[in-house]
Amino acid sequence: IQLTQSPSSLSASVGDRVTITCRASQGISSYLAWYQQKPGKAPKLLIYAASTLHSGVPSRFSGSGSGTDFTLTISGLQPEDFATYYCHQRNSYPLTFGGGTKVEI
Amino acid sequence: EVQLVESGGGIVQPGGSLRLSCVVSETTFRSYWMHWVRQAPGKGLVWVSRISDDGSTITYADSVEGRFTISRDNAKNTLYLQMNSLKDEDTAIYYCARDLVFCGISCSNYMDVWGKGTTVTVSS
Repeated sequence: IQLTQSPSSLSASVGDRVTITCRASQGISSYLAWYQQKPGKAPKLLIYAASTLHSGVPSRFSGSGSGTDFTLTISGLQPEDFATYYCHQRNSYPLTFGGGTKVEI
Repeated sequence: EVQLVESGGGIVQPGGSLRLSCVVSETTFRSYWMHWVRQAPGKGLVWVSRISDDGSTITYADSVEGRFTISRDNAKNTLYLQMNSLKDEDTAIYYCARDLVFCGISCSNYMDVWGKGTTVTVSS
């Protein structure tokens, strides 16, 4: 299953609302997660089951979608949110990740 | 909080071998499924392999099937990745990750805790 993220990069300012999309090449129900990765660090789980916020993740992050189209939204971008975001499907093996979206200042 | 620490990375020539290790800080390791995920320099995340809690179920990405072997020693809280016949394109940071069941709209496994990674460079 291929995951296509868009955009591949975006520029935003603190306080902005940011939306990242992830499209699956076939239906994956809600078996989708979003990860955040900062330079030199391991990925961090933000959202699972398409829309459920992982423990400890700020409520400004939200996810939606099912089937083939998914969205990660950051409402009120904070300085610590500048990072690369990946979607990831758990519907079937081989597991796949989207190509990533780099959120820059 | 559980910690995962990878080791064993290094520089190896094409065709060579390396064995990566991932030590988990909790004895509950024996109840987790585990994964290896890699990231080539400046590139995205790529899933490599997974192993069930008891080692009976193993799956590989096509790109490493037949060359890499995942295994675990639950008595040592350690996950391994034996990498043989290494190629230039295997150059990457290799992360181990814990797999747990999470339920939202639906229930499924997700990788929730990751190590910091170990770097493998394949070069002549």
